[in-house]
Amino acid sequence: GESVGLHLPTLSVQEGDNSIINCAYSNSASDYFIWYKQESGKGPQFIIDIRSNMDKRQGQRVTVLLNKTVKHLSLQIAATQPGDSAVYFCAEINSGGYQKVTFGTGTKLQVIP
Amino acid sequence: NAGVMQNPRHLVRRRGQEARLRCSPMKGHSHVYWYRQLPEEGLKFMVYLQKENIIDESGMPKERFSAEFPKEGPSILRIQQVVRGDSAAYFCASSRPGQAEEKLFFGSGTQLSVL
Repeated sequence: GESVGLHLPTLSVQEGDNSIINCAYSNSASDYFIWYKQESGKGPQFIIDIRSNMDKRQGQRVTVLLNKTVKHLSLQIAATQPGDSAVYFCAEINSGGYQKVTFGTGTKLQVIP
Repeated sequence: NAGVMQNPRHLVRRRGQEARLRCSPMKGHSHVYWYRQLPEEGLKFMVYLQKENIIDESGMPKERFSAEFPKEGPSILRIQQVVRGDSAAYFCASSRPGQAEEKLFFGSGTQLSVL
Protein backbone atom coordinates (compact mmCIF):
# COMPACT_ATOMS: atom_id res chain seq x y z
CA GLY A 1 0.00 0.00 0.00
CA GLU A 2 1.08 3.58 0.49
CA SER A 3 4.38 4.19 2.18
CA VAL A 4 3.80 4.97 5.80
CA GLY A 5 5.61 7.18 8.27
CA LEU A 6 8.11 4.55 9.37
CA HIS A 7 11.83 5.11 9.65
CA LEU A 8 13.80 3.43 6.91
CA PRO A 9 15.38 0.03 7.52
CA THR A 10 19.11 0.08 6.84
CA LEU A 11 21.31 -2.46 5.08
CA SER A 12 25.08 -2.17 5.57
CA VAL A 13 27.28 -3.91 3.01
CA GLN A 14 31.02 -4.13 2.53
CA GLU A 15 32.31 -2.62 -0.71
CA GLY A 16 32.65 -5.33 -3.33
CA ASP A 17 30.04 -7.61 -1.78
CA ASN A 18 26.64 -8.25 -3.30
CA SER A 19 23.58 -6.49 -1.88
CA ILE A 20 20.05 -7.80 -1.73
CA ILE A 21 17.22 -5.40 -0.99
CA ASN A 22 13.77 -6.82 -0.41
CA CYS A 23 10.30 -5.43 -0.85
CA ALA A 24 6.85 -6.81 -0.14
CA TYR A 25 4.08 -5.39 -2.27
CA SER A 26 0.43 -5.29 -1.38
CA ASN A 27 -1.75 -5.54 -4.47
CA SER A 28 -1.96 -8.90 -6.21
CA ALA A 29 -3.41 -7.07 -9.24
CA SER A 30 -0.23 -5.03 -9.72
CA ASP A 31 1.34 -5.99 -13.02
CA TYR A 32 4.36 -3.74 -13.31
CA PHE A 33 7.12 -3.03 -10.80
CA ILE A 34 9.95 -0.54 -10.64
CA TRP A 35 12.97 -0.03 -8.43
CA TYR A 36 14.07 3.53 -7.74
CA LYS A 37 17.26 4.84 -6.19
CA GLN A 38 17.26 8.06 -4.19
CA GLU A 39 20.54 9.72 -3.30
CA SER A 40 20.71 12.24 -0.51
CA GLY A 41 19.10 15.54 -1.49
CA LYS A 42 17.86 14.29 -4.84
CA GLY A 43 14.71 12.90 -6.34
CA PRO A 44 14.26 9.17 -6.97
CA GLN A 45 15.81 7.81 -10.16
CA PHE A 46 14.66 4.80 -12.16
CA ILE A 47 16.93 1.75 -11.90
CA ILE A 48 15.14 -1.23 -13.37
CA ASP A 49 11.62 -2.49 -14.01
CA ILE A 50 9.86 -5.81 -14.45
CA ARG A 51 6.46 -6.90 -15.69
CA SER A 52 4.38 -9.48 -13.86
CA ASN A 53 4.78 -12.04 -16.64
CA MET A 54 8.49 -12.25 -15.80
CA ASP A 55 10.24 -13.49 -12.69
CA LYS A 56 13.69 -12.12 -13.35
CA ARG A 57 15.26 -9.25 -15.20
CA GLN A 58 18.90 -8.23 -15.38
CA GLY A 59 20.50 -4.89 -15.95
CA GLN A 60 24.02 -3.64 -15.53
CA ARG A 61 25.11 -4.94 -12.10
CA VAL A 62 21.48 -5.10 -10.98
CA THR A 63 18.94 -7.91 -11.07
CA VAL A 64 15.31 -7.77 -10.05
CA LEU A 65 13.48 -10.91 -8.95
CA LEU A 66 9.71 -11.14 -8.71
CA ASN A 67 7.84 -13.78 -6.72
CA LYS A 68 4.13 -13.25 -7.33
CA THR A 69 3.13 -16.15 -5.09
CA VAL A 70 4.30 -14.33 -1.98
CA LYS A 71 4.11 -10.81 -3.47
CA HIS A 72 7.81 -10.20 -3.06
CA LEU A 73 10.37 -8.24 -5.04
CA SER A 74 14.09 -8.14 -4.58
CA LEU A 75 16.86 -6.02 -6.02
CA GLN A 76 20.31 -7.54 -6.22
CA ILE A 77 23.32 -5.30 -6.73
CA ALA A 78 26.53 -7.04 -7.71
CA ALA A 79 29.93 -5.82 -6.49
CA THR A 80 28.44 -2.99 -4.46
CA GLN A 81 30.26 0.32 -4.76
CA PRO A 82 30.27 3.43 -2.54
CA GLY A 83 28.21 5.20 -5.21
CA ASP A 84 25.43 2.69 -4.59
CA SER A 85 24.82 4.19 -1.14
CA ALA A 86 21.28 5.55 -1.31
CA VAL A 87 17.70 4.77 -0.39
CA TYR A 88 16.03 2.20 -2.61
CA PHE A 89 12.28 2.11 -3.19
CA CYS A 90 10.17 -0.44 -4.93
CA ALA A 91 7.02 0.70 -6.68
CA GLU A 92 4.03 -1.29 -7.84
CA ILE A 93 1.68 -0.28 -10.61
CA ASN A 94 -1.77 -1.61 -11.37
CA SER A 95 -2.55 -1.01 -15.01
CA GLY A 96 -6.27 -1.35 -14.42
CA GLY A 97 -8.03 1.98 -14.53
CA TYR A 98 -5.41 4.67 -14.23
CA GLN A 99 -1.92 3.54 -13.48
CA LYS A 100 -1.45 4.52 -9.88
CA VAL A 101 2.11 4.09 -8.66
CA THR A 102 2.44 3.01 -5.06
CA PHE A 103 5.80 3.13 -3.32
CA GLY A 104 7.14 0.80 -0.68
CA THR A 105 8.70 2.11 2.52
CA GLY A 106 12.27 2.07 1.22
CA THR A 107 15.59 0.63 2.37
CA LYS A 108 18.72 2.63 3.08
CA LEU A 109 21.86 1.00 1.68
CA GLN A 110 25.13 1.94 3.34
CA VAL A 111 28.30 0.78 1.62
CA ILE A 112 31.29 0.37 3.91
CA PRO A 113 34.56 1.14 2.10
CA ASN B 1 15.49 17.16 -23.01
CA ALA B 2 15.09 18.93 -19.73
CA GLY B 3 13.93 16.74 -16.91
CA VAL B 4 11.21 17.50 -14.42
CA MET B 5 11.86 20.97 -13.07
CA GLN B 6 10.82 21.99 -9.61
CA ASN B 7 11.19 25.39 -8.05
CA PRO B 8 12.10 26.75 -5.73
CA ARG B 9 14.69 24.25 -4.56
CA HIS B 10 14.39 25.54 -1.01
CA LEU B 11 11.51 27.51 0.45
CA VAL B 12 11.38 29.05 3.89
CA ARG B 13 8.09 30.24 5.30
CA ARG B 14 6.88 31.46 8.66
CA ARG B 15 3.87 29.87 10.28
CA GLY B 16 0.66 31.19 8.75
CA GLN B 17 2.17 32.12 5.39
CA GLU B 18 1.40 30.49 2.09
CA ALA B 19 3.75 28.17 0.21
CA ARG B 20 3.55 27.68 -3.56
CA LEU B 21 5.57 24.89 -5.09
CA ARG B 22 5.95 24.63 -8.85
CA CYS B 23 6.56 21.68 -11.09
CA SER B 24 7.15 21.69 -14.83
CA PRO B 25 6.86 18.16 -16.20
CA MET B 26 9.10 16.72 -18.87
CA LYS B 27 8.26 17.66 -22.42
CA GLY B 28 5.38 15.57 -23.71
CA HIS B 29 4.29 14.51 -20.22
CA SER B 30 0.77 15.42 -19.16
CA HIS B 31 0.51 13.38 -15.95
CA VAL B 32 1.86 14.85 -12.74
CA TYR B 33 2.19 13.33 -9.28
CA TRP B 34 3.09 15.06 -6.03
CA TYR B 35 4.78 13.21 -3.18
CA ARG B 36 5.83 14.31 0.27
CA GLN B 37 8.85 12.97 2.10
CA LEU B 38 9.93 13.47 5.70
CA PRO B 39 13.61 12.91 6.62
CA GLU B 40 14.54 9.24 6.74
CA GLU B 41 11.09 8.23 5.55
CA GLY B 42 9.47 7.00 2.36
CA LEU B 43 7.51 8.81 -0.32
CA LYS B 44 3.91 9.53 0.60
CA PHE B 45 1.51 9.99 -2.30
CA MET B 46 -0.44 13.22 -2.23
CA VAL B 47 -2.16 13.85 -5.54
CA TYR B 48 -2.24 12.76 -9.16
CA LEU B 49 -3.23 15.23 -11.85
CA GLN B 50 -3.69 15.31 -15.56
CA LYS B 51 -4.01 18.50 -17.52
CA GLU B 52 -6.83 20.53 -15.92
CA ASN B 53 -8.05 17.53 -13.93
CA ILE B 54 -7.43 16.13 -10.48
CA ILE B 55 -7.58 12.34 -10.83
CA ASP B 56 -6.73 11.22 -7.31
CA GLU B 57 -6.24 13.47 -4.30
CA SER B 58 -6.65 10.78 -1.69
CA GLY B 59 -3.27 11.61 -0.14
CA MET B 60 -3.90 15.32 0.26
CA PRO B 61 -4.95 16.78 3.60
CA LYS B 62 -8.50 18.06 3.32
CA GLU B 63 -7.63 21.52 4.55
CA ARG B 64 -5.00 24.04 3.52
CA PHE B 65 -3.60 21.95 0.67
CA SER B 66 -4.58 22.27 -2.97
CA ALA B 67 -3.07 21.34 -6.32
CA GLU B 68 -3.66 22.32 -9.88
CA PHE B 69 -2.26 21.53 -13.30
CA PRO B 70 -3.58 24.12 -15.74
CA LYS B 71 -3.70 23.78 -19.48
CA GLU B 72 -0.75 26.12 -19.74
CA GLY B 73 2.03 26.44 -17.22
CA PRO B 74 3.40 24.34 -14.40
CA SER B 75 1.60 22.30 -11.82
CA ILE B 76 1.25 24.13 -8.51
CA LEU B 77 1.04 22.64 -5.04
CA ARG B 78 -0.31 25.26 -2.69
CA ILE B 79 -0.19 25.11 1.08
CA GLN B 80 -2.07 27.81 2.92
CA GLN B 81 -1.38 28.91 6.49
CA VAL B 82 1.64 26.65 6.81
CA VAL B 83 2.47 24.99 10.12
CA ARG B 84 5.74 23.47 11.32
CA GLY B 85 4.47 19.99 10.50
CA ASP B 86 4.37 20.93 6.82
CA SER B 87 8.17 21.05 6.76
CA ALA B 88 9.24 18.30 4.35
CA ALA B 89 10.61 17.62 0.90
CA TYR B 90 7.96 17.74 -1.79
CA PHE B 91 8.68 15.82 -4.97
CA CYS B 92 6.92 16.07 -8.26
CA ALA B 93 7.00 13.33 -10.89
CA SER B 94 5.66 13.23 -14.42
CA SER B 95 4.81 10.56 -16.94
CA ARG B 96 3.57 10.31 -20.49
CA PRO B 97 0.05 9.08 -21.25
CA GLY B 98 -0.41 5.96 -23.28
CA GLN B 99 2.80 4.33 -22.21
CA ALA B 100 2.53 0.66 -21.44
CA GLU B 101 4.54 1.28 -18.32
CA GLU B 102 3.86 4.22 -16.06
CA LYS B 103 7.49 5.15 -15.64
CA LEU B 104 7.74 8.19 -13.42
CA PHE B 105 10.47 10.77 -13.78
CA PHE B 106 11.13 12.78 -10.66
CA GLY B 107 12.26 16.32 -10.06
CA SER B 108 14.88 17.26 -7.48
CA GLY B 109 12.23 18.33 -5.01
CA THR B 110 11.41 21.44 -3.01
CA GLN B 111 12.56 21.48 0.58
CA LEU B 112 10.00 23.43 2.59
CA SER B 113 11.05 24.72 5.97
CA VAL B 114 8.47 26.35 8.21
CA LEU B 115 9.86 28.54 10.97
